Amino acid sequence: SQQGEEDPQALSIQEGENATMNCSYKTSINNLQWYRQNSGRGLVHLILIRSNEREKHSGRLRVTLDTSKKSSSLLITASRAADTASYFCATDWIGKSSGDKLTFGTGTRLAVRP
Amino acid sequence: KAGVTQTPRYLIKTRGQQVTLSCSPISGHRSVSWYQQTPGQGLQFLFEYFSETQRNKGNFPGRFSGRQFSNSRSEMNVSTLELGDSALYLCASSLWGGRDTEAFFGQGTRLTVV
Repeated sequence: SQQGEEDPQALSIQEGENATMNCSYKTSINNLQWYRQNSGRGLVHLILIRSNEREKHSGRLRVTLDTSKKSSSLLITASRAADTASYFCATDWIGKSSGDKLTFGTGTRLAVRP
Repeated sequence: KAGVTQTPRYLIKTRGQQVTLSCSPISGHRSVSWYQQTPGQGLQFLFEYFSETQRNKGNFPGRFSGRQFSNSRSEMNVSTLELGDSALYLCASSLWGGRDTEAFFGQGTRLTVV
């Protein structure tokens, strides 16, 4: 399976702290995207990082990509209770044969305590 | 600009029945993709439509089918429902679904098969 693995599976932090979640994948990619999903609802696109980029910022979000290690990390700084959600990485990987579009990771459930 | 609209939001069906789910993409978006989300398998790609043609297909049985209309609205159909088809079905739209394009997700349709 080309599905990414996310680590940790669950994370609980205090409001104001930083949250870091990691994503590992198996094959070369065109890009990697991060999404947020509030309980049982649709996914919200957070950020896209291309394979030739190493770091990208968007507001309180910082994403890094290490293609040599086939891994990415999402850092949320100064977390808020409203950040409580599941976070997924999704890869657009090279050489896919099944016609898959995005391949999603297993997700990290983040809980931010007020 | 209105977001991606999926109808209905919730659905309960009996084994053996068939079901049709609807997705209205963001105005101007021509690519619509469908995903199935279950606790056990996570998010899995079903198929993608672009300009009324199925462009990509995931690894799902033929009971799962879809179509896209000239206004880019899409429907997916599941025939002979099985208990394992219970899931959150998510639709995503993008301008043309090519590399590096952001996908916008609807709120999903939660299907329960009893």
